[in-house]
Amino acid sequence: GQQVMQIPQYQHVQEGEDFTTYCNSSTTLSNIQWYKQRPGGHPVFLIQLVKSGEVKKQKRLTFQFGEAKKNSSLHITATQTTDVGTYFCAGPGNQFYFGTGTSLTVIP
Amino acid sequence: DTEVTQTPKHLVMGMTNKKSLKCEQHMGHRAMYWYKQKAKKPPELMFVYSYEKLSINESVPSRFSPECPNSSLLNLHLHALQPEDSALYLCASSHRQGIGTGELFFGEGSRLTVL
Repeated sequence: GQQVMQIPQYQHVQEGEDFTTYCNSSTTLSNIQWYKQRPGGHPVFLIQLVKSGEVKKQKRLTFQFGEAKKNSSLHITATQTTDVGTYFCAGPGNQFYFGTGTSLTVIP
Repeated sequence: DTEVTQTPKHLVMGMTNKKSLKCEQHMGHRAMYWYKQKAKKPPELMFVYSYEKLSINESVPSRFSPECPNSSLLNLHLHALQPEDSALYLCASSHRQGIGTGELFFGEGSRLTVL
């Protein structure tokens, strides 16, 4: 299957700090989705990006799709303990292949 | 709460056992998926069914046998598994096959332990 790399693999932040995870593909992504998986839980859909350069916001979360459609990012402003979990991007192309994931720990 | 239901939630089996994992959705989705997830790893695609037909088999060993009896049900039959097959098995569905057709809805998973 396809592989989409995410960095960093792990991130520990103090509550209130910002957090960013990056998703990188060697091939052009037709579109990309982001999922969050809480510890012990299952992946839950967050958002889908389709257009080159697209930026979407959900409260404290900002999602961006690169101009070349080969990368994407998720930025969380002022993290909270409820943000704990692993964030996955999913792509490329026509199948739901998941990226390697970034595990976020928020220290109260 | 998830709209994709998986049973059982936990399963322990020996290497000679035969067991099945079941998945059900009533959202009218026509694509259903099996993923395998090891600890601290991303979900790994195993099988995709589209309109009840096997669309993708990601070179999964034959000891895993999927079945889609109808548009709402997806089974994964397990036989002669190895301890390294111990993992969380996630079922998911989407409106249609393909990442452009909408999101994946996941079940809570079946945690399998092979002794």
